[in-house]
Parts: sequence; structure tokens; C-alpha cells
Amino acid sequence: EPEVTQTPSHQVTQMGQEVILRCVPISNHLYFYWYRQILGQKVEFLVSFYNNEISEKSEIFDDQFSVERPDGSNFTLKIRSTKLEDSAMYFCASRQGTGVSYEQYFGPGTRLTVT
Amino acid sequence: QQQVKQSPQSLIVQKGGISIINCAYENTAFDYFPWYQQFPGKGPALLIAIRPDVSEKKEGRFTISFNKSAKQFSLHIMDSQPGDSATYFCAASMENFGNEKLTFGTGTRLTIIP
Repeated sequence: EPEVTQTPSHQVTQMGQEVILRCVPISNHLYFYWYRQILGQKVEFLVSFYNNEISEKSEIFDDQFSVERPDGSNFTLKIRSTKLEDSAMYFCASRQGTGVSYEQYFGPGTRLTVT
Repeated sequence: QQQVKQSPQSLIVQKGGISIINCAYENTAFDYFPWYQQFPGKGPALLIAIRPDVSEKKEGRFTISFNKSAKQFSLHIMDSQPGDSATYFCAASMENFGNEKLTFGTGTRLTIIP
């Protein structure tokens, strides 16, 4: 069964460093998302991406964040200068987008630890 | 108005019992209500979803009940098993030209005891 994959599974970085989180969405999906989950809290929307551009972003997704689909398969989230409060699980999700299906499928997540 | 409120925060049910988790929303524009199951260290996995044109949807042991007038929906897990022990999130979404972001509830940690 097709699934969303994410790398790395765990990233440790120092405050102020840049990190890139990588995702490979399901191959025939057209809509891509990043969410984050601070430990013990709910999952929060960060950004949606379609047709090579951002569709919507939350107030969390400030100028330190960017997303890119550098090729036909990868979808990346970059944090330019990490802060302690960026420590969280980051989930990539994708959606087929055809018909009226809203089903989003999530990857296993990348645990980002900022020290 | 974008919030989805979920209760209880945690739930302990005996094996074979019925687990019930409730969610409420304010925004009447929401038109898709999924439930996700999350095991520790894993991503949320889509369990079952409903649209407001039906009041109930059943898939195996999992049932969503939906009350449009009360703006509430709930997940029922029949014959709960230890393997159902996980955190469950309700969510809501609305048609928005492809930007159907999910708004999640705060989660319910379900523990099934023998």
C-alpha cells in the first residue's frame, strides 16, 4: 500500500541552525501539507501546497519557514534559523485531490529537537 | 470559531467494552469530519470519516455518530481491544479550493485494560 515517507526520523540541531525536513508524498497525490505536533499537544496545520505554490499557511508559518517541491517526488520543509520552540514532531501529509476526497495521509513524522 | 473541542482527555475502558469519544465544533462551514488514530512515535492514521449528509457511518468496530444541529460528532469503538490503545484525534475540514487543511481536536488517550 502506498505511503508517505519522511526523513530523517529524528533531527537534533542547535538553535540558529538551518534544518531541512524531507517528505516523499504518495505518488499520484496533488496536495501536500506540513503539520506539527508539540509533545503531548494536538496536531497543528502549518502549510498547504499545490501546483508548486503555497495555498495557505498558518500564523505559525512565518518567514523562517519555507517549503519546496524540488523535483517530482520530494516535498521539503526548511526552517532557516531554528528556535527552541521549534522542537516538535513534524508531519507531512498528502491528498489525492481528485473527486471530492478530502482524505489526507500522514507520514511517520520527523522529531526535531532544537538545543 | 475554527476550534474543534474534544473530550475526554483520557479514557480507560475494559476489554470488550464500548469506547466513546466526543467532539464539538462551531464553524458550520466544516463539511468533512475524520478521526485519526495515533500510536506513540507514529503519524496519525486515518481511521474513519463522515460528511454531514449522513448521521452515522460504521466501519467494522468503529462508528461515527454525527449530529448536525448540535454540531457534535462522536467515535464509538465497539468490543474495544488492547490493540485499540492509542491517542485518537477528531478533526474537521471544509471545502476551500483544494486547501482543505485539517483542524484537529486536542486528542483522547484511550487505554483498554484486560
